[in-house]
Amino acid sequence: DGGITQSPKYLFRKEGQNVTLSCEQNLNHDAMYWYRQDPGQGLRLIYYSQIVNDFQKGDIAEGYSVSREKKESFPLTVTSAQKNPTAFYLCASRGDRIPGQPQHFGDGTRLSIL
Amino acid sequence: RKEVEQDPGPFNVPEGATVAFNCTYSNSASQSFFWYRQDCRKEPKLLMSVYSSGNEDGRFTAQLNRASQYISLLIRDSKLSDSATYLCVADILTGGGNKLTFGTGTQLKVEL
Repeated sequence: DGGITQSPKYLFRKEGQNVTLSCEQNLNHDAMYWYRQDPGQGLRLIYYSQIVNDFQKGDIAEGYSVSREKKESFPLTVTSAQKNPTAFYLCASRGDRIPGQPQHFGDGTRLSIL
Repeated sequence: RKEVEQDPGPFNVPEGATVAFNCTYSNSASQSFFWYRQDCRKEPKLLMSVYSSGNEDGRFTAQLNRASQYISLLIRDSKLSDSATYLCVADILTGGGNKLTFGTGTQLKVEL
């Protein structure tokens, strides 16, 4: 089945530690996105990538980093500089060749601080 | 002002009721619009795209008014399974490419 796979589903981090969230898609989509969602809040864009080896900061990029070495993969690293990392992290992808395409989401990673 | 604004609700309605959600967007350059549904502790899932002429999918009708920068979603004959948060989404073309902007969502609770 084609889709977006995020792992792990749950992740616990000690303070001062970097962690990396995985996002893989086999939909042949060019664009990929990372969002953060806090309880009772909307989605906020962290980083996005329109093409391999290129990415842009979203609205809340501080304390996060990404890479896009392969079309299928867009990992997100939550660094120790992110002081409030506990949240639900969602990865999405989108085929941009036809305008107006919706995004498709993975089932998310819940990150908590120990 | 938020780029996409929705009434957060909750909307508590009886089963079988008709309910309407509204959404406004601030960027007139927005090109495409969508409604997503998000269940508790789950990822958002596409409910429907919103077309200029309005569109219908079963019990769901979406409408767009570009002049007023306003989008609506109508749900007829509500089911218990419709209980979820409904996210209004606008697609904006930026220097870095297309970017979807999400509203904070409207919560719907359908009750017996």
